[in-house]
Amino acid sequence: KQEVTQIPAALSVPEGENLVLNCSFTDSAIYNLQWFRQDPGKGLTSLLLIQSSQREQTSGRLNASLDKSSGRSTLYIAASQPGDSATYLCAVRTMNRDDKIIFGKGTRLHILP
Amino acid sequence: DAGVIQSPRHEVTEMGQEVTLRCKPISGHNSLFWYRQTMMRGLELLIYFNNNVPIDDSGMPEDRFSAKMPNASFSTLKIQPSEPRDSAVYFCASRSDGGSYEQYFGPGTRLTVT
Repeated sequence: KQEVTQIPAALSVPEGENLVLNCSFTDSAIYNLQWFRQDPGKGLTSLLLIQSSQREQTSGRLNASLDKSSGRSTLYIAASQPGDSATYLCAVRTMNRDDKIIFGKGTRLHILP
Repeated sequence: DAGVIQSPRHEVTEMGQEVTLRCKPISGHNSLFWYRQTMMRGLELLIYFNNNVPIDDSGMPEDRFSAKMPNASFSTLKIQPSEPRDSAVYFCASRSDGGSYEQYFGPGTRLTVT
């Protein structure tokens, strides 16, 4: 059974620093991995999607990497800003007959001004 | 496009009442997902439809929950009878399987059952 873990559950970082959020998954048979951002009381906003054949995706100050064989993904945020404060979730689409999308519980990020 | 639309945004009801949540997916998307989010369990997939057909409902907690998708532009999630432990935020998401398979989420319905 696929399990997705995000550690730490919460992180506080001074403004301007670069930071890395981690996501691990137990079954490497995935179609893709997607990173989302969720602001308090809001829905999820897609940030980056990495197909299983890809190693990384970039969007602005965000860079997501995927190492399928080790079951890991990272989301790198450069030059963090207070507006980056949110909960970041990763989700994998499993490559089995169930074709499920499994979410981690997220990392709550707080950027200190 | 307006994105995924959900209604109502907030629902407060008494235990035992029927609750119906509504979702309009992004036009042209052929997969639709219903999720439930709680502090304890995080985000859980309840059911998903592909081309209006339920593909996997193994996440539906029990028979009190039912979902329908009568056409490509509308889906409902119904809870009857509702219980306090159903209190959560319910999200609908849609996806185009002909593209990047990226999911787009609605703003959610915050359900409180007293």
